[in-house]
Amino acid sequence: GQQLNQSPQSMFIQEGEDVSMNCTSSSIFNTWLWYKQDPGEGPVLLIALYKAGELTSNGRLTAQFGITRKDSFLNISASIPSDVGIYFCAGQLGPRDDKIIFGKGTRLHILP
Amino acid sequence: ETGVTQTPRHLVMGMTNKKSLKCEQHLGHNAMYWYKQSAKKPLELMFVYSLEERVENNSVPSRFSPECPNSSHLFLHLHTLQPEDSALYLCASSQDRGRSAFFGQGTRLTVV
Repeated sequence: GQQLNQSPQSMFIQEGEDVSMNCTSSSIFNTWLWYKQDPGEGPVLLIALYKAGELTSNGRLTAQFGITRKDSFLNISASIPSDVGIYFCAGQLGPRDDKIIFGKGTRLHILP
Repeated sequence: ETGVTQTPRHLVMGMTNKKSLKCEQHLGHNAMYWYKQSAKKPLELMFVYSLEERVENNSVPSRFSPECPNSSHLFLHLHTLQPEDSALYLCASSQDRGRSAFFGQGTRLTVV
């Protein structure tokens, strides 16, 4: 079945540093989504990407839909303590495809 | 507050119990979903409802029974569960099938 390979699995960074994580797949996706999940909560949608090559920002977050439609990255600039959590990429294969396939997540830790 | 509310937040049940999870969305969305999130595994889609009609059942065991009485409410009826069913159960909704999904906070289920 389709899989998303999300990396890295975890990151330890200093406050103020920039962060980059990505997802790749052997399948072509129609939509890429990035979510953040805090402990004990459901995932919260950060950025949705609908076109190949699209670059979208949401505050300090920037995400891009890869040209090949098989990958996406998420960057966080100038990290702050509340950025701690698990970041998930997700992809939808078709415009009316119900199945959102999730990566395994990148756990972000910020060192004091 | 994402507009998707799940109750209860936590549930402990025995293997012979019957319980139900409830999800309510106030976003005017047409599609609702149940996901299962287990430790160290990607989010797994269980059920999809579009306009109150079930459109996908990802080979979920019959001990999980969904119900969608209207476009704002979704239930997951549980009976004779197994300990391996312990997980975070997440409800989500979207404007239409294939659009970005917004998640509730989840129900942490423990089967003893």
